[in-house]
Amino acid sequence: TQLLEQSPQFLSIQEGENLTVYCNSSSVFSSLQWYRQEPGEGPVLLVTVVTGGEVKKLKRLTFQFGDARKDSSLHITAAQPGDTGLYLCAGAKGDYKLSFGAGTTVTVRA
Amino acid sequence: GAVVSQHPSRVICKSGTSVKIECRSLDFQATTMFWYRQFPKQSLMLMATSNEGSKATYEQGVEKDKFLINHASLTLSTLTVTSAHPEDSSFYICSADGGVEPVYNEQFFGPGTRLTVL
Repeated sequence: TQLLEQSPQFLSIQEGENLTVYCNSSSVFSSLQWYRQEPGEGPVLLVTVVTGGEVKKLKRLTFQFGDARKDSSLHITAAQPGDTGLYLCAGAKGDYKLSFGAGTTVTVRA
Repeated sequence: GAVVSQHPSRVICKSGTSVKIECRSLDFQATTMFWYRQFPKQSLMLMATSNEGSKATYEQGVEKDKFLINHASLTLSTLTVTSAHPEDSSFYICSADGGVEPVYNEQFFGPGTRLTVL
């Protein structure tokens, strides 16, 4: 059983559409990270959120950390083919280890 | 900043041989490095945590005699897959804990090593 549940597992949309990926847990996290991974490569850190209710924007990407620090979402506006990849959320509970969600495979069709 | 490299990127070996994978933090020092395994279309599975100058901590179910980890310096950790078998074929990824604040727990990942055991 994964500590972090990601949904949906797969998402295929047309270029220009918006999408949201969710990351939920019953546990409280001291910080939560979002990564994007392309095939055959390692994950790349997109953002870290640490404060309940925090919202961070990175160009067309908006990340939100739930008030209770148990969940997070990633919203992409006007998706582009370059946004295609595996999106992973990962939470830390105060120690050095990260617990990863199962990932959401996003495909943006041109 | 926060660049992690892995070598080799791909390795194909015969069953029974040992394979060493290197993980280096190029522009920062990493007290803690992590080794993950990833199967196709799945998430990362933590295998072990490596601390500089001390023994690695292995996750439940990971054989420490099978997967030897050495973290001899603040910029280098190695994973040796001993007597590799086809079931060890996988994508191995290392990461380094480069968080500015302890609470952040950010990890920076290497590009991964694709191991194929024939």
